[in-house]
Amino acid sequence: GAGVSQTPSNKVTEKGKYVELRCDPISGHTALYWYRQSLGQGPEFLIYFQGTGAADDSGLPNDRFFAVRPEGSVSTLKIQRTERGDSAVYLCASSPPGSREQFFGPGTRLTVL
Amino acid sequence: AQSVTQLGSHVSVSEGALVLLRCNYSSSVPPYLFWYVQYPNQGLQLLLKYTSAATLVKGINGFEAEFKKSETSFHLTKPSAHMSDAAEYFCAVSIYSGSARQLTFGSGTQLTVLP
Repeated sequence: GAGVSQTPSNKVTEKGKYVELRCDPISGHTALYWYRQSLGQGPEFLIYFQGTGAADDSGLPNDRFFAVRPEGSVSTLKIQRTERGDSAVYLCASSPPGSREQFFGPGTRLTVL
Repeated sequence: AQSVTQLGSHVSVSEGALVLLRCNYSSSVPPYLFWYVQYPNQGLQLLLKYTSAATLVKGINGFEAEFKKSETSFHLTKPSAHMSDAAEYFCAVSIYSGSARQLTFGSGTQLTVLP
């Protein structure tokens, strides 16, 4: 079956611009996670959705970062006034109900010039 | 709070040799533990998981890991390395606490397999 998909695969933007990153989870998965992976590091948690609501957004680094999941399926990570330090691979994962196993998408590589 | 330490950011082995990637965790409650593999420009693929059942866990591609509570370790092994095993490996811990459900990852170990 189809896995987690993320678009775009690569995004290059200029400092100060606004970007949106999209995640399509596996059908039927109720939990959705966003992580950020900087070069040479492991992924770091950003936000977790259970259904439509953000159950835990403690990993968002500041108020320039925001994520939504309005219909409990597709999620969009939004970054305002991008900074060079936001350059990283943004990973999305989803989990079926009652499972701790997370299925990861291929990621979006964001480069802020 | 939970944490994961992976000893050795780079490990090199010869093809056919034993692979041993080390992972130690810190957790105040019984953890669930995972090993993921990441190939260049790809997402994370689950290798295996420990979920409080058997302490010796077998995964895909001939990998296995043993949960040792007394040592707070979850080291990954494979008896005989193959060239296709060259990738980056991440150990992760998952703890359900309140609304928290996220994985906490180690910094990764890059495995090189020499011919």
